[in-house]
Parts: sequence; structure tokens; C-alpha cells
Amino acid sequence: GENVEQHPSTLSVQEGDSAVIKCTYSDSASNYFPWYKQELGKGPQLIIDIRSNVGEKKDQRIAVTLNKTAKHFSLHITETQPEDSAVYFCAASGGRNQGGKLIFGQGTELSVKP
Amino acid sequence: DVKVTQSSRYLVKRTGEKVFLECVQDMDHENMFWYRQDPGLGLRLIYFSYDVKMKEKGDIPEGYSVSREKKERFSLILESASTNQTSMYLCASGGGGAYEQFFGPGTRLTVL
Repeated sequence: GENVEQHPSTLSVQEGDSAVIKCTYSDSASNYFPWYKQELGKGPQLIIDIRSNVGEKKDQRIAVTLNKTAKHFSLHITETQPEDSAVYFCAASGGRNQGGKLIFGQGTELSVKP
Repeated sequence: DVKVTQSSRYLVKRTGEKVFLECVQDMDHENMFWYRQDPGLGLRLIYFSYDVKMKEKGDIPEGYSVSREKKERFSLILESASTNQTSMYLCASGGGGAYEQFFGPGTRLTVL
């Protein structure tokens, strides 16, 4: 089945710097790759997603890139702010015949220092 | 706004007790999911359901069962709670044929 690896597990940046989180997946049939942000005491919330027919997607300060050949995708946050501090999860769709399943990475705890 | 609610934010139970975690969604979603979240392990799928009375095992179903009698409600049952089931439990829902999932706030379960 699908396996998703996420790195780094923790990331500390200064306010205003950029942050990059990387994920790799194993199933070439996966075609949907969301990123979730989980703030303290809350459930994960979708912040951006990308489908396999697109190489890059941007929404204000966040962007996601996808390399299907290498089977990896990345989240880029520019001009980080303290409110970006949270745990971020990548995920990949479960591949062929897996319906609406998502396989999640291990999570990255991002800390933005003022 | 999609709303997914979970019956308790915090729960403390004793080993051997039967535990019910309830999840309700208000968006008429076909799909519902139960995950557990542990540090360093991410979100792991316990069970999911594509329709009323239908259920499928996820990656870690051992020690758990589920019930979906109504479309909006998906229950996770720990038949005999054990200390290794101490965790954060997250419920999610999603529309049929779509991958986006909407999460509830989670239930932090402690089994003593």
C-alpha cells in the first residue's frame, strides 16, 4: 500500500524567513496530495492541495510543488509569521481502488520565532 | 462551513472499560473516518465508512470496532480499553468521490 514519509519532524525559523517541508510517497497511482495545518487543541485543517496533473500551486504565502517522476512533493511557506507555528501534515491519496482514503505523513512541528 | 463534532474533548477511562467515541457531521458526507494521532507517527487510519452500515478496516483496526447507523454519525468503540489505546482520536468526513477530508477537534483519551 501507499507509504508517505515526511521531513523534517521539527523546523524552527525566524519570522520572515521561508520554511520548506518535504514528503515522498510510494504509490505511483496516487493522484491527490493535500497539506493540513493543525493548531494546538484543534483538528487538522486543509490549507492547500495539488493534483497529479499540476506541478505547482500557489495561494498567497504558501505553495506546493509536485514531482511525479521522483514521487515527492513539498510545502513552501514564505515570509513566515508567528501564527504559522503549528504541526503540518502532508498526505497522499490511497492510490488505485482506495476510494477517498488518505495516507498521512508523520507531521512537522513548525516554530516561527518572532 | 462544514462542521464535524466529537462527543468529548477529553476522556479518562479505566483498563477493561468499553468506550464509545461519537462523531457527527452536518454536511451530508458519504465518507467518514476515524484516526488516531500519536507523536512521531502522524495520523493512522483505524476504520472508515463509505455509507450507512458499511465499514472497512484501516491500517490499525485491532482492538477497535465502529458503527454507522445513520449517515451523519460514526462511532468508534473500544471493546475493552487498554493503556496502549491512550491517544488523540480524530474523526473526519468527506464527500463521495472527493478526497478532501474535514476533521473534528479530536478526543484525547487516557486509559489508566
